[in-house]
Amino acid sequence: GAVVSQHPSWVICKSGTSVKIECRSLDFQATTMFWYRQFPKQSLMLMATSNEGSKATYEQGVEKDKFLINHASLTLSTLTVTSAHPEDSSFYICSAREARLPTDTQYFGPGTRLTVL
Amino acid sequence: KQEVTQIPAALSVPEGENLVLNCSFTDSAIYNLQWFRQDPGKGLTSLLLIQSSQREQTSGRLNASLDKSSGRSTLYIAASQPGDSATYLCAVESSGSRLTFGEGTQLTVNP
Repeated sequence: GAVVSQHPSWVICKSGTSVKIECRSLDFQATTMFWYRQFPKQSLMLMATSNEGSKATYEQGVEKDKFLINHASLTLSTLTVTSAHPEDSSFYICSAREARLPTDTQYFGPGTRLTVL
Repeated sequence: KQEVTQIPAALSVPEGENLVLNCSFTDSAIYNLQWFRQDPGKGLTSLLLIQSSQREQTSGRLNASLDKSSGRSTLYIAASQPGDSATYLCAVESSGSRLTFGEGTQLTVNP
């Protein structure tokens, strides 16, 4: 089956610094990638949808200048948390969808746990 | 705005028991409904996906049903095992490829 990887799997950073998380589709080309955030004991909330070569579409309440998303190739999307604060500490999960597969399947990455001190 | 609710929030059962997890959604205009499993600190594993035109899907000991008109889905797990212990998430896909997740049911199967 289709595999999506994320790097790093966990990261600890100081408040005010920026952190980049990578999401890769390993064996398929992802025209669309999605970024989700999950706080402890809560469910996943969609942050943004990115299509290769175009700007990401952010969900209401998600600051696009704080959460920078780049989908520069068909196999890679990056999420950069700029000027991170402790309240940004969360589990970030990406998913990817390939155009040739049924459009109803999103493949999820293993997640990245961000802790901001 | 689509809202997804899962009941119960937590469930503890002895090994071997059959069980049902419930999911309800407020907007019936969905493309599909999907059940996922999430182990602690891990990502999501897709279990079953039901298209809006389908009534149920089966995979091994798992059976998921969908009643789109009433906004309900159930996940039936037969002969539960300790390895089934995890959080089970229900998600519906609406317009714009947007997945809306429920808050999950935390299942514990005791040996």
